[in-house]
Amino acid sequence: DAKTTQPPSMDCAEGRAANLPCNHSTISGNEYVYWYRQIHSQGPQYIIHGLKNNETNEMASLIITEDRKSSTLILPHATLRDTAVYYCIVRVVMRQGGKLIFGQGTELSVKP
Amino acid sequence: NAGVTQTPKFQVLKTGQSMTLQCAQDMNHEYMSWYRQDPGMGLRLIHYSVGAGITDQGEVPNGYNVSRSTTEDFPLRLLSAAPSQTSVYFCATRQAKRYGYTFGSGTRLTVV
Repeated sequence: DAKTTQPPSMDCAEGRAANLPCNHSTISGNEYVYWYRQIHSQGPQYIIHGLKNNETNEMASLIITEDRKSSTLILPHATLRDTAVYYCIVRVVMRQGGKLIFGQGTELSVKP
Repeated sequence: NAGVTQTPKFQVLKTGQSMTLQCAQDMNHEYMSWYRQDPGMGLRLIHYSVGAGITDQGEVPNGYNVSRSTTEDFPLRLLSAAPSQTSVYFCATRQAKRYGYTFGSGTRLTVV
């Protein structure tokens, strides 16, 4: 199973872009990179996912390197409400359903 | 549309007692799963199901049983609670051929 490595914590000023890195050097060719976040004891929230192309949605952008060994989640204009633990996950396909393997995540603190 | 509903939100058990954590969804999602989260750790998969009548073990299945008799419900049973099962439990669901999981708000269980 491919594992991910993230910094344990990061700070970001409100209104600035938050760039959260993730290393996944053993990722397989058919494994997707997912990002979730968890705001203070709530259930995790899906943010975005990608395979090899860069992706953007209303919440964030995902940049995946050409060799797919690392990726960056970008929150373009961070707000105080974006303070959360962010999880980078490589989705393991297991039988029919697949499963999410969560690591320790990055605790992002957005400061005024 | 209530999404994923977990009950109860809080529970205190004595060692050796049994109980069932409920998870119900009204989104007709095929995939359902149970995770536990301990302080300072990411989420760990307990059991999962890819459809009614089909269940399988995750990373930490010992001490837990599940069944999936309907698409809507996926209860998690603790047959003989132990202090090591003190944790926050999250139920997650996903529609087949879609990518993001929807998580419930969690059940906070304390075993004394």
